[in-house]
Amino acid sequence: AQSVTQPDIHITVSEGASLELRCNYSYGATPYLFWYVQSPGQGLQLLLKYFSGDTLVQGIKGFEAEFKRSQSSFNLRKPSVHWSDAAEYFCAVDLGGGADGLTFGKGTHLIIQP
Amino acid sequence: EAGVAQSPRYKIIEKRQSVAFWCNPISGHATLYWYQQILGQGPKLLIQFQNNGVVDDSQLPKDRFSAERLKGVDSTLKIQPAKLEDSAVYLCASSVSGANVLTFGAGSRLTVL
Repeated sequence: AQSVTQPDIHITVSEGASLELRCNYSYGATPYLFWYVQSPGQGLQLLLKYFSGDTLVQGIKGFEAEFKRSQSSFNLRKPSVHWSDAAEYFCAVDLGGGADGLTFGKGTHLIIQP
Repeated sequence: EAGVAQSPRYKIIEKRQSVAFWCNPISGHATLYWYQQILGQGPKLLIQFQNNGVVDDSQLPKDRFSAERLKGVDSTLKIQPAKLEDSAVYLCASSVSGANVLTFGAGSRLTVL
């Protein structure tokens, strides 16, 4: 069955340090890929998306993600985190080529240490 | 542009009672989605509308959940009767048709006692 896996439930990073959040998908073809962020009490905000083309995509708030077909991965990175980055991060895929709703991973809770 | 509006933000009910959530999508967005997000999990798609027609409701528990989008604009999600396991945040999202970039509302948090 198609699935999205975020292996890390919690990640703690010191402010100013680099960040990488992992996402793997299980699907026969390359789906559309997304990263969303959710702050407490708020809805989900789109950070970035990958449809095709350049495998390194830039998003908002200084985030980037790299699609690696051979590893079925779409990991999110940021070179230097800020305390305001503390939130829940969700990887999501669209398996229907643009016509379907998104399938989300279980999320990674990011904690920023001062 | 105005975002996706949802109400109420919070609702507490007893099990077996009913509840309704309302969503007003971004103007011009033909596609509307309802997601259920249980604490500690990612959102799960309940139903997807294209204008006023249902595209996908395969994960909607139809014995107790219903949703409508009669005029192709705002939508209502109803739960009757509610169970304890329905406690969750119900997220509404909308998108331009076929663009699959979803904009989410802030959600409606339901607690069933």
